[in-house]
Amino acid sequence: AQSVTQPDIHITVSEGASLELRCNYSYGATPYLFWYVQSPGQGLQLLLKYFSGDTLVQGIKGFEAEFKRSQSSFNLRKPSVHWSDAAEYFCGYNAGNNRKLIWGLGTSLAVNP
Amino acid sequence: NAGVTQTPKFQVLKTGQSMTLQCAQDMNHNSMYWYRQDPGMGLRLIYYSASEGTTDKGEVPNGYNVSRLNKREFSLRLESAAPSQTSVYFCAGHGGLAADTQYFGPGTRLTVL
Repeated sequence: AQSVTQPDIHITVSEGASLELRCNYSYGATPYLFWYVQSPGQGLQLLLKYFSGDTLVQGIKGFEAEFKRSQSSFNLRKPSVHWSDAAEYFCGYNAGNNRKLIWGLGTSLAVNP
Repeated sequence: NAGVTQTPKFQVLKTGQSMTLQCAQDMNHNSMYWYRQDPGMGLRLIYYSASEGTTDKGEVPNGYNVSRLNKREFSLRLESAAPSQTSVYFCAGHGGLAADTQYFGPGTRLTVL
């Protein structure tokens, strides 16, 4: 079955520390992959996406993600976290012609000062 | 472009009441979606419309109906609201000016008493 797994429900990091949020997908081919961020009380904003080509993609707010086909992963990284990065992060992929996104359950990020 | 807009932002209903959540977009999206978001359950697809004039059920369609009124508008109707429908509802669009990426509205927070 098609699915996305975000193994970490909640992560806490200190401001200035590096961050990696994990995402694994289950799909036969290479899907379109996305990371979205949701700040408290807000809608979802696209951070970055991977369709093809260079497996390291850059997004907004200093985030990047690396697609690893062999591991079926698309992990999100940031070298130095800011307090404003505290939010919920969702990984998803698009498979098939109907354009539906398959979503992970999200990872909640807290940032300690 | 205003992007994807939703009305209302907040709504409180009594059990059994009906209401329609409105969604409109000006990005020429071909596909539109309605999601609900509940704590710990991520985003769940209620209904989607792959193109004007078509609608299909998602994961959790029971208790809801939708109308793709035209290319711009996609409404979600609760005919007889239940407390289990207390949630945050997001509309999203895909395609057109935003090829292969879903863009989200700000959400409607619905409480059913």
